[in-house]
Amino acid sequence: EVQLVESGGGLVKPGGSLRLSCAASGFAFNGYSMHWVRQAPGKGLEWVSAIGSRSRSISYAASVKGRFTISRDNAGNTLYLQMNNLAVDDWAVYFCARALLGGAELDVWGKGTSVIVSS
Amino acid sequence: DIQVTQSPSSLSASVGDRVTISCRTSQGLSEWLAWYQQKPGEAPKLLISAASRLQSGVPSRFSGSGSDIDFTLTINDLQPDDIATYYCQVTSRSPHTFGQGTKLEI
Repeated sequence: EVQLVESGGGLVKPGGSLRLSCAASGFAFNGYSMHWVRQAPGKGLEWVSAIGSRSRSISYAASVKGRFTISRDNAGNTLYLQMNNLAVDDWAVYFCARALLGGAELDVWGKGTSVIVSS
Repeated sequence: DIQVTQSPSSLSASVGDRVTISCRTSQGLSEWLAWYQQKPGEAPKLLISAASRLQSGVPSRFSGSGSDIDFTLTINDLQPDDIATYYCQVTSRSPHTFGQGTKLEI
């Protein structure tokens, strides 16, 4: 079964850091681009970041650039999002998602992990 | 960056109705636009890629059309299971911006 499982969310104070993980299974992880998408409470979807299959292509939303770092471990079938200098506006459920081959349409999603930024 | 304007923000319809949701972008995308459905408490689900390509397992009452800057998601014969929020997304290049969402109520 194709599956993505996020972990690493939790409560953090403004200015703090958190590292999210996304464990992939059931497909050839090293062949797919991967994305992070977030959703603040009661709000819409916000695209956060993407990484190519071999980590050669990386992109970020302007709202997180310089604070968040996306990476992947193809040997361990895991995607990461290092989040530094967190702000209240980063409070959201973070989803990892797989992109269709050759595109950016997101066809497989995890259930999400919750990040709460509060003092 | 490409701006996305999705309308309406909410929509009330009846079972059996035909519903249309629109996305307009600030720059031409050719057909690089996707549509998603998200039910409360769940992750989004990809419905349509490349503006009009229905994903496997998605009911044929869903369809997508449009190109360049104007795109439409159409739901024919609306069913109670279609209660959800729908989003479009730019897939041509980064940032892969989502539309603001359309909350569909029946």
